[in-house]
Amino acid sequence: TQLLEQSPQFLSIQEGENLTVYCNSSSVFSSLQWYRQEPGEGPVLLVTVVTGGEVKKLKRLTFQFGDARKDSSLHITAAQTGDTGLYLCAGARGTSYGKLTFGQGTILTVHP
Amino acid sequence: EPEVTQTPSHQVTQMGQEVILRCVPISNHLYFYWYRQILGQKVEFLVSFYNNEISEKSEIFDDQFSVERPDGSNFTLKIRSTKLEDSAMYFCASLLLDGAYEQYFGPGTRLTVT
Repeated sequence: TQLLEQSPQFLSIQEGENLTVYCNSSSVFSSLQWYRQEPGEGPVLLVTVVTGGEVKKLKRLTFQFGDARKDSSLHITAAQTGDTGLYLCAGARGTSYGKLTFGQGTILTVHP
Repeated sequence: EPEVTQTPSHQVTQMGQEVILRCVPISNHLYFYWYRQILGQKVEFLVSFYNNEISEKSEIFDDQFSVERPDGSNFTLKIRSTKLEDSAMYFCASLLLDGAYEQYFGPGTRLTVT
């Protein structure tokens, strides 16, 4: 079983603070995707990282794929209340079209 | 922007009944998936489908489950005889193929088995 462990599970911060969410595994993934999920809705894709060491930026969000492609992080700069939600990492092994293994998610709450 | 759609949004059924969950993947996508999420738990892979056949399935996807692409647009998940433990959100996803890695998810169908 390939496990993806996300930490922290819960994160409660004030608006304007920075935060980092981690996604770790003992397995190598061919790609890792970050999703955001609102209650009762489907995961919405934020970014895909494919190359070891890759860094991608999406406005105030920075995503990094570990050199060994076993871990990833999501860093949010100057969090806003609109960032509140559930963040999921999901990895695919082998082919680009392989099944995704999901982490358990990080529930982020940004207080005004 | 093209998106994956799913119907119904909520399905309530009695134990032992058959249900069919429907999905319309993004139109030029070629690889299709079903995942489920039991309340409070991780999203879990059920099955992937390509070129009119199952590509991979998990241990959850037993003989009670089947998938079909009955026409050029729909992709369905059938549960033959539902159990209480089948209650979950079911998500359909699709992928372009052609070297792409991104799986796009639908909004889900909440299945409640009573």
